[in-house]
Amino acid sequence: DGGITQSPKYLFRKEGQNVTLSCEQNLNHDAMYWYRQDPGQGLRLIYYSQIVNDFQKGDIAEGYSVSREKKESFPLTVTSAQKNPTAFYLCASTGRVSGANVLTFGAGSRLTVL
Amino acid sequence: AQSVAQPEDQVNVAEGNPLTVKCTYSVSGNPYLFWYVQYPNRGLQFLLKYITGDNLVKGSYGFEAEFNKSQTSFHLKKPSALVSDSALYFCAVRDQTGANNLFFGTGTRLTVIP
Repeated sequence: DGGITQSPKYLFRKEGQNVTLSCEQNLNHDAMYWYRQDPGQGLRLIYYSQIVNDFQKGDIAEGYSVSREKKESFPLTVTSAQKNPTAFYLCASTGRVSGANVLTFGAGSRLTVL
Repeated sequence: AQSVAQPEDQVNVAEGNPLTVKCTYSVSGNPYLFWYVQYPNRGLQFLLKYITGDNLVKGSYGFEAEFNKSQTSFHLKKPSALVSDSALYFCAVRDQTGANNLFFGTGTRLTVIP
């Protein structure tokens, strides 16, 4: 089935370590996104990429990095510079539905810093 | 700048009763509005969207939303609530700068009481 696969589902990290969250899609979507979800704050955009080898910062990019070497893949690295990384991370991609883009989301990755 | 507001953190409704989840928006031009639903520890799922045309938009699982330009609102509705409708609901507006990003509200937790 077509969709977005995020891994790992749960991840624990010690302070000072970098971690990378995987996001893979087989929907042939051009654009991909990373959101962070915290209780009571909704979703906030970290980074997005509209085409391969290109990406832009979202509203809360500090302490994060991404790459887009392949259309199918958009990994997110949470660096040690991110002061409060414990959160639920959602990857999404955009397809075209009746003239307006609709986001398809992965199941998410929950990162906990110990 | 565009934004959406969901004034209620929590909505409780009895099974079989009609439900409404409120959303108001702020944009400088014509809005592209969306509703998404999130079940526990899952990604978001698209419910419906308003781009143009009829003010009453029908979506998945029997949900509908009414676009009201004068009140800048896009409330989500369902005539008869099910216990399985209990979830977190997000309203979103599309970025009008051309980046196709979505700005999400803070979410409303709907609980349907048997």
